[in-house]
Amino acid sequence: AQSVTQPDIHITVSEGASLELRCNYSYGATPYLFWYVQSPGQGLQLLLKYFSGDTLVQGIKGFEAEFKRSQSSFNLRKPSVHWSDAAEYFCAVAGSLASYDKVIFGPGTSLSVIP
Amino acid sequence: GAGVSQSPRYKVTKRGQDVALRCDPISGHVSLYWYRQALGQGPEFLTYFNYEAQQDKSGLPNDRFSAERPEGSISTLTIQRTEQRDSAMYRCATGAGGSRTDTQYFGPGTRLTVL
Repeated sequence: AQSVTQPDIHITVSEGASLELRCNYSYGATPYLFWYVQSPGQGLQLLLKYFSGDTLVQGIKGFEAEFKRSQSSFNLRKPSVHWSDAAEYFCAVAGSLASYDKVIFGPGTSLSVIP
Repeated sequence: GAGVSQSPRYKVTKRGQDVALRCDPISGHVSLYWYRQALGQGPEFLTYFNYEAQQDKSGLPNDRFSAERPEGSISTLTIQRTEQRDSAMYRCATGAGGSRTDTQYFGPGTRLTVL
């Protein structure tokens, strides 16, 4: 079964600085990968997803993520963080081999942005 | 409304009581998921429907938990004989198609507190 880890529980960055949130997965093949964001008191919103093809995926709000098979990683990046990016970020994975598989979410990384 | 809605938003109940949590999906969305989210954690899969068919209920913790979606639209998650450990945020998400690759649109959640 697939699993996903997010090594960083909490990250603090200054506004305007670059950001990288780490995500590692475990699966026997290339999985389906997702990043979701959860702002305080809100539901989760999809930032981007990867299924196949180009390993660099562009998402909404200026985010991108890169799939690296050799490292079993799907790290989320943003060149310049805005104060409004402060939120909880969840990496998620779904198996790709069966006709159906559920999406498994990581524990999340909480992002704080310093003005 | 255009999004996924859930009711009630907050539910406080006494141990041993039954509760029913409702999810109103985005109109026309085929798939519907229920998750449980503990504070500081990612969503934990409970169950999944395609139309009215419950495709996967492997995440339901025990037989006190059940879910239905009788007409392929509104869904109800029922917890019988609630226990304090059932306290959590319960989230519903829906997808336009029946695929794990669909974007999931999350509702605001129901915060359940069992006293």
